[in-house]
Formats: sequence, C-alpha cells, structure tokens
Amino acid sequence: QSALTQPPSASGSPGQSVTISCSGTSSDVGTYKFVSWFQQHPGKAPKLMIYEVSKRPSGVPGRFSGSKSGNTASLTVSGLQAEDEADYYCSSYAGSNNYVFGTGTKVTVL
Amino acid sequence: EMQLVESGGGLVQPGGSLRLSCVASGFTFSKYGLHWVRQAPGKGLEYVSAISANGDITFYANSVKGRFTISRDNSENTLYLEMGGLRAEDMALYYCTSDGFDMWGPGTMVTVSS
Repeated sequence: QSALTQPPSASGSPGQSVTISCSGTSSDVGTYKFVSWFQQHPGKAPKLMIYEVSKRPSGVPGRFSGSKSGNTASLTVSGLQAEDEADYYCSSYAGSNNYVFGTGTKVTVL
Repeated sequence: EMQLVESGGGLVQPGGSLRLSCVASGFTFSKYGLHWVRQAPGKGLEYVSAISANGDITFYANSVKGRFTISRDNSENTLYLEMGGLRAEDMALYYCTSDGFDMWGPGTMVTVSS
C-alpha cells in the first residue's frame, strides 16, 4: 500500500486560507468515507483535526474543514493563525483493516 | 482523563527483540480496537498494526508481517507489540492510538543499532 500523496509544503499569511491536498486511489480515498486529518507540532503526538472526511472532533476550531472529491481529499485552514504552523497528515481506510497515511505537509504561517 | 502511555522502547541490536506496552486509562479499554503507528526520525507516519476490541482480529503492515505480534490484555488495560528480527528501518517513535485515531500516547522510541 503506497502512502497518500501530499504537497511537501504550504504557506499563508495570518488571516489567509491554505488548502492541502491528499491524493489517493480508488482503493482508499476514492472508496471510503474514513478520511482523517492530523496536526503535529514538533516533538508532539499527532492530533486528530478531521474525521470521516469533514467532521470535526470536539474542541477543534471551525476554521478547519475537510472535503473529498474522487480520489483526492482536502483540508482547508481558514483564517490562519500562528499556532496553525505544524505538519499535517491525512489518512484513509484502505480496506481489510488497513489504513494508509499521507506523506505529510509542512504548513508555514508567514 | 482518557490517556494512553507507551513504554518499552530502547536501544536494540539488529536482529534483536523488544516488547512495547501501552497502558490505557480513563475509558473502557475492552470496548475499543487499538493501533500502533510509527514515525521514523524526521519522517512521516506509518501504519503498523491493529487489534480488535476482544483481540480476535489483527492486522499487520507488510513491512512488519511475520516479525511483529500485536496483543492485548483487557484485564490489565494494556496493549502490546512484540517486535522481533529488528532492522535499521524499524527505528522510529512508536505510538499507540485509539480506534478513530482520536487519542494518542506520547510515543516510545525504538533505536536499532549495533
């Protein structure tokens, strides 16, 4: 199972929006609704930000949103804030109890 | 407070073995499946293994199949990962995480080196 493809980096100024793509296949992202997004700050464990494509866990700000079209999922962070600077990973269920993670995207707040 | 805490990491020679543990608290451990995810230094997340709530279903990534064994003791609220035939490429921070990936431990570092 190959990793999902994400851009290595993305950036935006405070208050702007940034969108990160997560490209998979018809065997994972394209078939299942179990697409999640994680935020990871340096030296910290990942934190779930989006699950089931577009749902936000309690406590995650509303400026984080997720969507999916075909084999590609996307995470949008609106109204960028300094604390949003982190690495972001997507993941998808790939069938048969298997999950696959994305390659990761480093978001920089300019 | 719901919590997962890993332990058991350390330095091991290539070909050696190690057993990781993950102790859970603050939730009904026996109701949930659990996963192991690892992250090599400076690299991304890699899905390693999973086990169902009662332990009857397990999954292994191809990279660890035949060398790693996942298990759990619901009476002790503990998840395990027995690691054998360790290779340089197994060196990583190993996280245990809940079903749905909404809870993660801080991780335990496994270093494989002679």
